[in-house]
Amino acid sequence: KAGVTQTPRYLIKTRGQQVTLSCSPISGHRSVSWYQQTPGQGLQFLFEYFSETQRNKGNFPGRFSGRQFSNSRSEMNVSTLELGDSALYLCASSLWAGADSPLHFGNGTRLTVT
Amino acid sequence: GESVGLHLPTLSVQEGDNSIINCAYSNSASDYFIWYKQESGKGPQFIIDIRSNMDKRQGQRVTVLLNKTVKHLSLQIAATQPGDSAVYFCAENKGGSEKLVFGKGTKLTVNP
Repeated sequence: KAGVTQTPRYLIKTRGQQVTLSCSPISGHRSVSWYQQTPGQGLQFLFEYFSETQRNKGNFPGRFSGRQFSNSRSEMNVSTLELGDSALYLCASSLWAGADSPLHFGNGTRLTVT
Repeated sequence: GESVGLHLPTLSVQEGDNSIINCAYSNSASDYFIWYKQESGKGPQFIIDIRSNMDKRQGQRVTVLLNKTVKHLSLQIAATQPGDSAVYFCAENKGGSEKLVFGKGTKLTVNP
């Protein structure tokens, strides 16, 4: 069974631009979560989607947004990029949206903002 | 802030030895814990999980121990191999607004 697929693997953007990251979950998984990983802050929860609805949201500004499609694929968008947005963005899928459903991560998209 | 943390940021062991990675959590209401392994350039990989109604769970070469009295979680890796070199994260699921809360991670280095 194919794992979680994230595209692109690497991105370089300049400040003020916007970016869209894509995630395809494991087949049959209906919940998709997004995390930001940085050396200083570690893994921080961005949001979770289930059945095309945002179920939970972390403590990030409104510049960070996401959506989920009917086939469970998900995208996240960051507008007006700042230098501090440089990070590894990880998508994870799980079978259901419950608090005890293990997350399976993709290999991430490395975003560099210059 | 972070409610899940680790005692040591780095751990170095010899190949063949057993490794123990520790994690402390602060939320006594947490009822589900997961260990992840992250290799360089990859996303975290699920290793093993444990629910709060259990004290111990074993997988292939790995064992997770949960001590709810002192809010401590540990991952034991038997016969550590070079391929085990990675950063290990414990994660706690409190439910509510976050899916998982991750600790800062412990970097395990296995020396041949």
